[in-house]
Amino acid sequence: GAVVSQHPSRVICKSGTSVKIECRSLDFQATTMFWYRQFPKKSLMLMATSNEGSKATYEQGVEKDKFLINHASLTLSTLTVTSAHPEDSSFYICSASRGQGIGEQFFGPGTRLTVL
Amino acid sequence: QKEVEQNSGPLSVPEGAIASLNCTYSDRGSQSFFWYRQYSGKSPELIMSIYSNGDKEDGRFTAQLNKASQYVSLLIRDSQPSDSATYLCAVNLRDTGRRALTFGSGTRLQVQP
Repeated sequence: GAVVSQHPSRVICKSGTSVKIECRSLDFQATTMFWYRQFPKKSLMLMATSNEGSKATYEQGVEKDKFLINHASLTLSTLTVTSAHPEDSSFYICSASRGQGIGEQFFGPGTRLTVL
Repeated sequence: QKEVEQNSGPLSVPEGAIASLNCTYSDRGSQSFFWYRQYSGKSPELIMSIYSNGDKEDGRFTAQLNKASQYVSLLIRDSQPSDSATYLCAVNLRDTGRRALTFGSGTRLQVQP
C-alpha cells in the first residue's frame, strides 16, 4: 500500500506557457499532500503543504500566484506552474501522508520540467 | 545550526561492509524520524521510520534513535553496490509547528564492488 502517482513524468514546454502536474494517492486517502522541488545535486525544497478542501500553505519565498495548488479531493492534488520560465526548470515531487498524526510521507515518482 | 544535519559524504564502503549514516536534529521535542533513500534522478523512497529510543531492525537496515542526544542513525549491513544512493534523514520538528517533515541535505553512499 501507500502508492503515489504523478503525471506527467516529464514535460518540455515553451517559456510563457502553463504546466499542470497531478499527484494522486492510489490506495489511501491523503489528508495532506506536499509539493517539493529539487535542483540537480541539491536537497529537497518544500514549496507548499495542502490539505483537502482548504488553501495551500506556501513556504517563504514561494510565489503562490505562480505555483497554483489545488487539493480537490483526498486522493488528488495539482500543481500548476503558471507562465513558466527557464528558471522554473526543475524536478517537482509530490508526497502524501495519511491519517491525522505526523506519519510517513510517501513520494510520487516526480515530474521533470524543462522550460525552453 | 541547521535543523536537520547530515554529513554530505560521499561515504565509501566496500561491498559486504556495514555502512553507518548519521543525522542530528535541533528540536529535542521531535517525535517522528524517517530515513529515505534517493537514487540519482529518482524521488525519495521510505526505508525506515522510528519513533522510540533504541534500535529498530528491518532486514539489512537498522535505525537507531537517541532522543537525549538528538541523534538518529541508519546502519546498512552487508552493503551492496545497489545500496549506492543518497540517504535522507527526515524529522518532524515540533518547534516548526507544521506537519511537513524537515529533511537533511542527505549523505551520498558509495558501495565499492
